[in-house]
Amino acid sequence: DGGITQSPKYLFRKEGQNVTLSCEQNLNHDAMYWYRQDPGQGLRLIYYSQIVNDFQKGDIAEGYSVSREKKESFPLTVTSAQKNPTAFYLCASTPTRRRNQPQHFGDGTRLSIL
Amino acid sequence: DQQVKQNSPSLSVQEGRISILNCDYTNSMFDYFLWYKKYPAEGPTFLISISSIKDKNEDGRFTVFLNKSAKHLSLHIVPSQPGDSAVYFCAASGGDMRFGAGTRLTVKP
Repeated sequence: DGGITQSPKYLFRKEGQNVTLSCEQNLNHDAMYWYRQDPGQGLRLIYYSQIVNDFQKGDIAEGYSVSREKKESFPLTVTSAQKNPTAFYLCASTPTRRRNQPQHFGDGTRLSIL
Repeated sequence: DQQVKQNSPSLSVQEGRISILNCDYTNSMFDYFLWYKKYPAEGPTFLISISSIKDKNEDGRFTVFLNKSAKHLSLHIVPSQPGDSAVYFCAASGGDMRFGAGTRLTVKP
C-alpha cells in the first residue's frame, strides 16, 4: 500500500536545538515538498525537490534545511535559526516534475517548543 | 500575501442538502485549481481539480465551478453526507501551488 510516511507525529524542540522531521515515500515519485501550516493560514512552501540531489527554496526557507540523497526520502531539519518553529509540517510528493498535478500528502508532524 | 482566500472558516449544513464552499484568488496566472479534503490527524487528500480552460468539472457528488472573470471557484457537494465533515482546502497553481486556509464543513445528521 503506497504512501507517504512522516515521523514522528509529535515532536518537541528545546531552545537552540536542531530537530529533523522524516518524510519517506514508496510511490516512486520524483518530486517532494515540505509545507508549513499555521492556524488560520494556508499551507506555505518551505522547500521542494524535483530530483535526487537537487532542491529549491520555497517561500519560507529561512531557518530550515533539507537533503535529497535518495528518491524516497526528503528529511527536513528545523534549525535553531528558526525562531518560531511551532507549526504543523506536511510533506507531499508528485509523480513527476511536471507542473499542475495533485500532490499526495503525509499525515504531518506537529512541532512544539518546550 | 494571500493569493488564495477562503473567507468562510466554517460551514454547517444538514445531511442531504447542498454544501457550497467558496474560494477566491488574486493571481490571473493561475491555470489549475484543486480541492483537497482533510480529516483530523490525517494529511490532505486530493478531491477534484479543474483546468482554467473549463468552467465546470464533476465527479460524482462533487462539482467544482470556475469563474475566471471573478477569480472565484466553488465546490458543490450534493447531497451532503455526515462523512463529508472535514476541512476543505482550495489550491491554485501556475507553477508553485498556493493554498487557502481551509473551510471546516460540518454535515449534521
